[in-house]
Order: sequence, then C-alpha cells, then structure tokens
Amino acid sequence: DAGVTQSPTHLIKTRGQHVTLRCSPISGHKSVSWYQQVLGQGPQFIFQYYEKEERGRGNFPDRFSARQFPNYSSELNVNALLLGDSALYLCASSLRLRGNEQYFGPGTRLTVT
Amino acid sequence: SQQGEEDPQALSIQEGENATMNCSYKTSINNLQWYRQNSGRGLVHLILIRSNEREKHSGRLRVTLDTSKKSSSLLITASRAADTASYFCATGLPNNAGNMLTFGGGTRLMVKP
Repeated sequence: DAGVTQSPTHLIKTRGQHVTLRCSPISGHKSVSWYQQVLGQGPQFIFQYYEKEERGRGNFPDRFSARQFPNYSSELNVNALLLGDSALYLCASSLRLRGNEQYFGPGTRLTVT
Repeated sequence: SQQGEEDPQALSIQEGENATMNCSYKTSINNLQWYRQNSGRGLVHLILIRSNEREKHSGRLRVTLDTSKKSSSLLITASRAADTASYFCATGLPNNAGNMLTFGGGTRLMVKP
C-alpha cells in the first residue's frame, strides 16, 4: 500500500499570493491532519479533518483553511502569504479520530519570497 | 507553545553505543509518541505509549513513561549510522476531541561510524 502522498514537493511563492497544498492519506484512513514545521523546530498542529469535518484547529490565523474530500484526500489553503509562512507543511493520516499513531507524508517545502 | 521538551538538543555518539533521549511535558496526557525525522523529510512513527503504560519495546527501541514526573525517555541500543536523525516526542492530550499532537523541539542525534 502507498503511504501518505503530498504535492507539490517544493513551492516558491511571493508575499501576498495564495497557495494550495494537497494530501492523499493511506488507503482506509479517514483522518487527515496538517502540521507546519519551521526550520529547526518541531511540527505545529494546524488542522485535523475526520470524515470530512473539521475536528481540531491549532493556533493559526484565518488565512489558513482546509477541507477534506469524499475520498478523504485533503487540501490546505493559505491566503495572503507572509515570509513567516515559509516552512515544511506536513500531512498525516490516521485510522481513527483520536488516540492513535499518525503516518506522515514527505511534506511540501514552501518558500515565500 | 510546546508541550514537550527534549533533552539533550543534540547528541553525538559512536556506532554501537546506546543513545538516550528524554522528553518532559507539562500537562496530563492520553498518550506519548516518538517520531524520527531524517534531514527535513516526513516524520516516521516509532512508538506510541499510553498514559497507563510504563514501558514499551520495539526492536532496538525502548520507551519509558513516568506520568508522575511528566517525562519519557527513548533508548536506542547498539546504534547505527543509519539512526542519525532528529527525534521528536509528541503528546496527545486527554481532552482532545481529535488526534492533535503537540511536539517538542527535538533531539538531533548523530551516530559516527
């Protein structure tokens, strides 16, 4: 079975632009979570979606939004990009809603110039 | 804010030696997980230990959890050069509606051949 896949691998955007990042979970996994990892730090939770509903939101501004599709894939959208949004964006899928291990994709490296 | 803090921040050992990394956290947890990350790529899940467990093993990995001290340790025995990576602890909180993980800043382990 394929693991969690993310696209694109790398992305360069200009301040003020918007970006859409995509994630496909492991087959059978209904939960997708998004994390932001700034260089040199641990990942920070952004969103969790389960069965197409938002089940958790981290301390991120409204410029960040996400959704989950009927096939459980997910998109993370960031509007009005700032230099500080430059980071590795990680998607993780898990089988159940809570209390279980998460399987991470390779990430999307976003650079905002 | 970070729930978990790893100690040490960096560790350098010779191949064959054991590596011990510690994690402290601040609030009650449902579970604690350890992840490995190679060179800014996606995270690999290593072990999940629940709050009612004290010790878990997986191959060369041994994890302990002391909820009274709010701390955990990860021991890698007979280390190999391929174990060189950053290691993160992540906690799941009991009052979470979902699967949000709070990560520490990580320990960078270098195993010299």
